Amino acid sequence: AQSVTQLDSQVPVFEEAPVELRCNYSSSVSVYLFWYVQYPNQGLQLLLKYLSGSTLVKGINGFEAEFNKSQTSFHLRKPSVHISDTAEYFCAVSGGNTPLVFGKGTRLSVIA
Amino acid sequence: EPEVTQTPSHQVTQMGQEVILRCVPISNHLYFYWYRQILGQKVEFLVSFYNNEISEKSEIFDDQFSVERPDGSNFTLKIRSTKLEDSAMYFCASNNRESLEQYFGPGTRLTVT
Repeated sequence: AQSVTQLDSQVPVFEEAPVELRCNYSSSVSVYLFWYVQYPNQGLQLLLKYLSGSTLVKGINGFEAEFNKSQTSFHLRKPSVHISDTAEYFCAVSGGNTPLVFGKGTRLSVIA
Repeated sequence: EPEVTQTPSHQVTQMGQEVILRCVPISNHLYFYWYRQILGQKVEFLVSFYNNEISEKSEIFDDQFSVERPDGSNFTLKIRSTKLEDSAMYFCASNNRESLEQYFGPGTRLTVT
């Protein structure tokens, strides 16, 4: 079975400050890891994904994440956030062409 | 860019009524999914569909739920007798064999009164 833990339910951060949203996973099979963003009253948009290869993955909107197999983590980072980054962020894991298992989400609030 | 579409965007129904939520996945995708998100909670898997049959379902997907691909483009989720607790946002997603990225539709907000 797979599971995802997002350690922070809410993260407030000032505009232009760096941010890290934490994600830990557990899985007994090969993992594919994803971060999705959900803006208010909208659907889910893929930010980035790790399938294989380089453990540092770059995504859209200046976000990046690092896959750490020994720590079973896939933390999301951005060096300088904007007001427009205010949203809910979901980490998810999959074993392949299988359903995604989502974490509970982290609400990022960027303060001007 | 191709996208997953869902209709309606918002559906209000009375308890005990049947609802059908519709999705048009991306045309060359082979794997289809339904997820739901109760307000303020995480996204939960309901069912996956491949090769014209259910490939996996969660414990949420009980006998009140069914899925169908009635033609080459639509993918539907039916709830036979809605309950108050079925109120949620329902997302359809699809992916092809090579890219494991699931593309999500904008969702249908179902409100059961």
